Amino acid sequence: DAGVTQSPTHLIKTRGQQVTLRCSPISGHKSVSWYQQVLGQGPQFIFQYYEKEERGRGNFPDRFSARQFPNYSSELNVNALLLGDSALYLCASSLQGAADTQYFGPGTRLTVL
Amino acid sequence: AQSVTQLDSHVSVSEGTPVLLRCNYSSSYSPSLFWYVQHPNKGLQLLLKYTSAATLVKGINGFEAEFKKSETSFHLTKPSAHMSDAAEYFCVVSDVGLTGGGNKLTFGTGTQLKVEL
Repeated sequence: DAGVTQSPTHLIKTRGQQVTLRCSPISGHKSVSWYQQVLGQGPQFIFQYYEKEERGRGNFPDRFSARQFPNYSSELNVNALLLGDSALYLCASSLQGAADTQYFGPGTRLTVL
Repeated sequence: AQSVTQLDSHVSVSEGTPVLLRCNYSSSYSPSLFWYVQHPNKGLQLLLKYTSAATLVKGINGFEAEFKKSETSFHLTKPSAHMSDAAEYFCVVSDVGLTGGGNKLTFGTGTQLKVEL
């Protein structure tokens, strides 16, 4: 079975630009979560979606937004990029999101110049 | 709020010797705890999870962890290290108290495991 997939693998942007990252969950999983992992640190929670509804939001500015589509895939958008947004962005999927185990994709490496 | 503390940022062992990665947790109720592993330039792989069914949890690749409520610990062990175990290991607690009904994972700062010949 295919795992969580993310695209693109790598991305280079300049300050002030906008970026969209994409995630497809494991087949049958209805919840998607997004995490940011800055180099040398553990991942930090950004969002969780279940059945297209936002179920939780971490301590990130409004420049970060996300949505989930009817097929349960998800997009993470970041506006007005800052140098500090450079990180590995990880997507995780779970069956329903409440207390289910989260399975991670390989991540998208974003570099902001 | 839930939190975890990984007591060692780096651990170095010789191949064939035991591995011990230490983790303490803080939780106001019975937590769900996990260990994830991250190999260089890769995503996170689930090693094992504790959800109150049994205090000794067995995971993949010979790893296991023991939940000790009295010590608020969830240490990861392996009897014999292999070169392929070299990676970063994260102790993680699940917080199901989000306003919208979801759950988030709170990660420790990670332990880099080095395995030497």
